[in-house]
Amino acid sequence: GAGVSQSPSNKVTEKGKDVELRCDPISGHTALYWYRQSLGQGLEFLIYFQGNSAPDKSGLPSDRFSAERTGGSVSTLTIQRTQQEDSAVYLCASSFRRYNEKLFFGSGTQLSVL
Amino acid sequence: AQTVTQSQPEMSVQEAETVTLSCTYDTSESDYYLFWYKQPPSRQMILVIRQEAYKQQNATENRFSVNFQKAAKSFSLKISDSQLGDAAMYFCAYRGAQKLVFGQGTRLTINP
Repeated sequence: GAGVSQSPSNKVTEKGKDVELRCDPISGHTALYWYRQSLGQGLEFLIYFQGNSAPDKSGLPSDRFSAERTGGSVSTLTIQRTQQEDSAVYLCASSFRRYNEKLFFGSGTQLSVL
Repeated sequence: AQTVTQSQPEMSVQEAETVTLSCTYDTSESDYYLFWYKQPPSRQMILVIRQEAYKQQNATENRFSVNFQKAAKSFSLKISDSQLGDAAMYFCAYRGAQKLVFGQGTRLTINP
């Protein structure tokens, strides 16, 4: 695609429910990153994919968070048993290769947990 | 671990004036990149300018320029001739051998 696509754009869920956030990177980009941006805060790294593997998942805040990537393309970030503190914008970014300095970001998913 | 600090949560400037946003970082790496990203209300992060640490010359992109002081670990962004469209959150970021690390951001307001 022309850019990094994320869906849904906005998601409202009830506490305790599971949610799935999708990221469709730019075609051919092997590196994919998930970040979380809480209100008024900077971007917090969650996980990095190179191809389908995740060599760095050090930013996942708890075992309720997981992510996968299939076919070296689409990635899904899953949050189980959502809590109110999970409310944030979840941003996805991709780059051609890991050490390529230019990351292309999607517009994010605004997650609101009631 | 690398850290990035932006000490100005908010800044404002008159249209057509010049404004400087501050950023400091901490690292033990010798080879790295530094970036400034702009985040408008659309939420999409837009790369404004980047600097390779091995380059002594400060990067410039049209009205945007940086003052890179490697020894001081400082990387400020200067916006000249500020325009209303420059209003956004600005994030300083560092990337070495590992992931991209962001500062907390500076909200820039442009006063007409």
